[in-house]
Amino acid sequence: DQQVKQNSPSLSVQEGRISILNCDYTNSMFDYFLWYKKYPAEGPTFLISISSIKDKNEDGRFTVFLNKSAKHLSLHIVPSQPGDSAVYFCAASGNAGGTSYGKLTFGQGTILTVHP
Amino acid sequence: SQTIHQWPATLVQPVGSPLSLECTVEGTSNPNLYWYRQAAGRGLQLLFYSVGIGQISSEVPQNLSASRPQDRQFILSSKKLLLSDSGFYLCAWSVGAGYGYTFGSGTRLTVV
Repeated sequence: DQQVKQNSPSLSVQEGRISILNCDYTNSMFDYFLWYKKYPAEGPTFLISISSIKDKNEDGRFTVFLNKSAKHLSLHIVPSQPGDSAVYFCAASGNAGGTSYGKLTFGQGTILTVHP
Repeated sequence: SQTIHQWPATLVQPVGSPLSLECTVEGTSNPNLYWYRQAAGRGLQLLFYSVGIGQISSEVPQNLSASRPQDRQFILSSKKLLLSDSGFYLCAWSVGAGYGYTFGSGTRLTVV
């Protein structure tokens, strides 16, 4: 049962344009969402997060939008740069009765390629 | 500041051999610790997590085991590796629910 889904395995964008990465979830107990960026042969690094009490969080070129009714979140990167090329994972956690222990459930990842 | 160390970076092991991957965290106390695996072309799958010394929870049945002999040490083991154990193994820590993870640099395991 894939509770967090990234349905686009890859995305190709021209430098300077907007990159939009999408993520859907099914578990309504999730209340904290994160995006991670991963380069080959390295561990993922934290990019940006949003709690369920918000619908938008912005940090520089990165903005995460959360639509709770649709159980959908997206990451916008504007403007996209070649150095943004990496695998992007969305992740979710929820305090389901206090037993989540901080576990994150990850999507499958989306490979972003930004062309110069 | 907190740091997480994971080693080795790469490992090639024959089928049937044992495995021991180690992860240590510095600069924090009583962290939640996690082992994830990324198989080729797939996402990150949670294998084990630990909220304290000697406390291990397994997320999926498999050929692997985990141990936490010290507060900031997390070990992933196997007695006999299978070909299907190949993948990229990641250790991570967090302070608890509602917080993100910090990941180690990962171990690329190839079982031949």
